[in-house]
Amino acid sequence: ENVLTQSPGTLSLSPGQRATLSCRASQSVKYSYLAWYQQKPGQAPRLLMFGASKRAAGTPDRFSGSGSGTDFTLTISRLEPEDFAVYYCQQYDSSPKTFGQGTKLEIK
Amino acid sequence: QIQLVQSGAAVKKPGASMRVSCKASGYKFSIYEISWVRQAPGQGLEWMGRIAVNTGKTDFAPKFQDRVTMTTDTASNTAYLELRSLRSDDTAFYYCARDDPGDPLDYWGQGTLVTVSS
Repeated sequence: ENVLTQSPGTLSLSPGQRATLSCRASQSVKYSYLAWYQQKPGQAPRLLMFGASKRAAGTPDRFSGSGSGTDFTLTISRLEPEDFAVYYCQQYDSSPKTFGQGTKLEIK
Repeated sequence: QIQLVQSGAAVKKPGASMRVSCKASGYKFSIYEISWVRQAPGQGLEWMGRIAVNTGKTDFAPKFQDRVTMTTDTASNTAYLELRSLRSDDTAFYYCARDDPGDPLDYWGQGTLVTVSS
């Protein structure tokens, strides 16, 4: 199984700052089939990015994704108050479709 | 609009079975897959498996292979997850999500909390 490791576990930043979240896979993710999800307390996860760098419908353009192979990054250019949440990466290239353990983005 | 609406919360005893339903609307149910993902309280997301609605073909994560059944009813556009021999560590929110080969999980149900307790 392709194990995804996210770092950092927790990221403490202030609104207006830039956030950089990392997702590293134990095996290469073919076709960049890597997605990012945002989850807020009491809510289901929401698709943010797919194909490593494509924004899902409704995702603001301050969110961007990059990477290929085994290393992927989600960047939020200028944090808004509503961006503080938990972020998960997921590979959908191979079964089982594994998730990373999550990065909690909290207000500093 | 596309919606996945799940059944309500449940409390089960250890050793029992659980069944969660997921009713889809707003898209052609039969041409997609449904994945099931669970999340223990305060923990991360765990992919359990998926079912191709038109063929019934399933693909399970090894951890759940022996205890899980996934089915669909195309007449009612509903997917079902059954998990047997429940243990306390099966206490979690269970989510259904629309799936398709080569695509991410783009629409999610609201989640169903299943509590396993004696």
